[in-house]
Amino acid sequence: GAVVSQHPSRVICKSGTSVKIECRSLDFQATTMFWYRQFPKQSLMLMATSNEGSKATYEQGVEKDKFLINHASLTLSTLTVTSAHPEDSSFYICSARDTGQIEAFFGQGTRLTVV
Amino acid sequence: AQSVTQPDIHITVSEGASLELRCNYSYGATPYLFWYVQSPGQGLQLLLKYFSGDTLVQGIKGFEAEFKRSQSSFNLRKPSVHWSDAAEYFCAQLPNNNDMRFGAGTRLTVKP
Repeated sequence: GAVVSQHPSRVICKSGTSVKIECRSLDFQATTMFWYRQFPKQSLMLMATSNEGSKATYEQGVEKDKFLINHASLTLSTLTVTSAHPEDSSFYICSARDTGQIEAFFGQGTRLTVV
Repeated sequence: AQSVTQPDIHITVSEGASLELRCNYSYGATPYLFWYVQSPGQGLQLLLKYFSGDTLVQGIKGFEAEFKRSQSSFNLRKPSVHWSDAAEYFCAQLPNNNDMRFGAGTRLTVKP
């Protein structure tokens, strides 16, 4: 199956700093990418959908100025958590899908801890 | 609105016993359905998926699921559970061929 690589797998940052998470499709063109957030013992909640070359579409309640998404190429999307606070600590997962395909493939996830 | 319901938050079964995890989806003309497993601190692993065709779907690790349109269900089954199956299981639906929606998850505990 298609491979999606997410980096880093874990990151610890200080409160007030920004952190960038990368999501790469390794063997297909990811025309659409999705970013999810998962709190402990909870399900995945969609944060935003991005199409290559376009602005991301954010779900209701997700601050677009805090969670910056860039999808400038067909194989890479980035999520930047700006001015991170402890409440932003969570597990972030991306998924990617090629044009015309039904299924999206998931990255391994990034555990963000803000101290 | 499209939604996925997993009625059981937590299930405990004995090793070697059979397992069934329930999933109900809201009606959709083309209900693309998935089951994922997640171990603690890990990403999602796809167990199986249903798009069309045979309503009994075979997956990895001995899992299977049956799509029942009349019941709007896509329950996951395994005839004999192994201790390594202890994890969180998520049912998901892809409504309108857009973004995936997940159920709340069912945590499986396996007793020795």
